[in-house]
Amino acid sequence: GAGVSQSPRYKVAKRGQDVALRCDPISGHVSLFWYQQALGQGPEFLTYFQNEAQLDKSGLPSDRFFAERPEGSVSTLKIQRTQQEDSAVYLCASSPGPIEGQYFGPGTRLTVL
Amino acid sequence: LAKTTQPISMDSYEGQEVNITCSHNNIATNDYITWYQQFPSQGPRFIIQGYKTKVTNEVASLFIPADRKSSTLSLPRVSLSDTAVYYCLVGNTGTASKLTFGTGTRLQVTL
Repeated sequence: GAGVSQSPRYKVAKRGQDVALRCDPISGHVSLFWYQQALGQGPEFLTYFQNEAQLDKSGLPSDRFFAERPEGSVSTLKIQRTQQEDSAVYLCASSPGPIEGQYFGPGTRLTVL
Repeated sequence: LAKTTQPISMDSYEGQEVNITCSHNNIATNDYITWYQQFPSQGPRFIIQGYKTKVTNEVASLFIPADRKSSTLSLPRVSLSDTAVYYCLVGNTGTASKLTFGTGTRLQVTL
């Protein structure tokens, strides 16, 4: 079956631009996670959804970051007024439940110039 | 939240068995142990998950001693394609959103 897909795979933005990153989880997966991964580091938690409910957004670095999952499937991570420090790979993962193994997408590499 | 400690890197020759140990001294009663593999430019891939004793699947085995303060991921007969970063995570339903990957163990397999 299809895995987790993310789009775009690569995004270049000028500082100050808004970007939207899309995640299509595995069908039927209740839990959805967003992570940020800097070069040479492990993924760092951003936010977690259970169905359409955003249960934890404690990892979002600032109020410029916003995530939604309105119908409990597709999720969008939006970054407003991008800064150079936002440059990273943004990973989405889904799982059947909160503690079961997560299935990751390929990530979106964001470069802010 | 249980903190995990792994070796930063390991080297192995192709065909050998590789064991990567993760320490998690303050693991909670309801915590599970999960291992992921990550190749460059890809998202992490779930390898195996366990709670106690031994779990085996088609790619790896996970050994967890009775005190659960550590776990060992065993990769039988590694190949060059097993060169990757391996992460050990510990958590439960309540802390699922707080799972931290750390820097992982970078495994280099050579001929």
